[in-house]
Amino acid sequence: AQSVTQLDSQVPVFEEAPVELRCNYSSSVSVYLFWYVQYPNQGLQLLLKYLSGSTLVESINGFEAEFNKSQTSFHLRKPSVHISDTAEYFCAVSDRSLRGNQGGKLIFGQGTELSVKP
Amino acid sequence: NAGVMQNPRHLVRRRGQEARLRCSPMKGHSHVYWYRQLPEEGLKFMVYLQKENIIDESGMPKERFSAEFPKEGPSILRIQQVVRGDSAAYFCASSPARGRPAGELFFGEGSRLTVL
Repeated sequence: AQSVTQLDSQVPVFEEAPVELRCNYSSSVSVYLFWYVQYPNQGLQLLLKYLSGSTLVESINGFEAEFNKSQTSFHLRKPSVHISDTAEYFCAVSDRSLRGNQGGKLIFGQGTELSVKP
Repeated sequence: NAGVMQNPRHLVRRRGQEARLRCSPMKGHSHVYWYRQLPEEGLKFMVYLQKENIIDESGMPKERFSAEFPKEGPSILRIQQVVRGDSAAYFCASSPARGRPAGELFFGEGSRLTVL
């Protein structure tokens, strides 16, 4: 079984400040790791994912996350946030051994609400 | 290029009534997932369906909940005899038959059920 813990339910920051949203997971099997973002009144969108290879993954809008196997973490970072980054961020894992679209069975954390203030 | 469409966006029911939530996947997608988000909690997997087949319903409550994805038309999540504890946001997600890595889902905006 897997579980995901997002350590901060709310993170308020000022515009242009750096931010880190923390995610730790527990699993008895190998997992894929994801960050999804939910902007107000919208559905969740995939932000970035770690499947294999380089442990540092990046999104097109400046976020990055690093897979740390020894610490079972997948923290999300951005060096300088914008007002438009205000959203809820969800960390998720899926079991690597699940075949094909069975991998769509995701285990989500509770979410972190990022609030960027001017 | 419509995304995943869910309706209704908001639904209010009294205890004991039935709730039906609909989900039309993205064009070309034949796999549908339903997730539930209870207040102050993360999304929890409920069920995974392909056209005319339930593949994995391990997250569905044993009673009152059912899901279908017919050959024609949207996927439907049905909750019979609703109780206050069913109040939640219900999200639908879809993925194509092939070509996407595991876990890369396209989500709808959710249906928010309130039970009075």
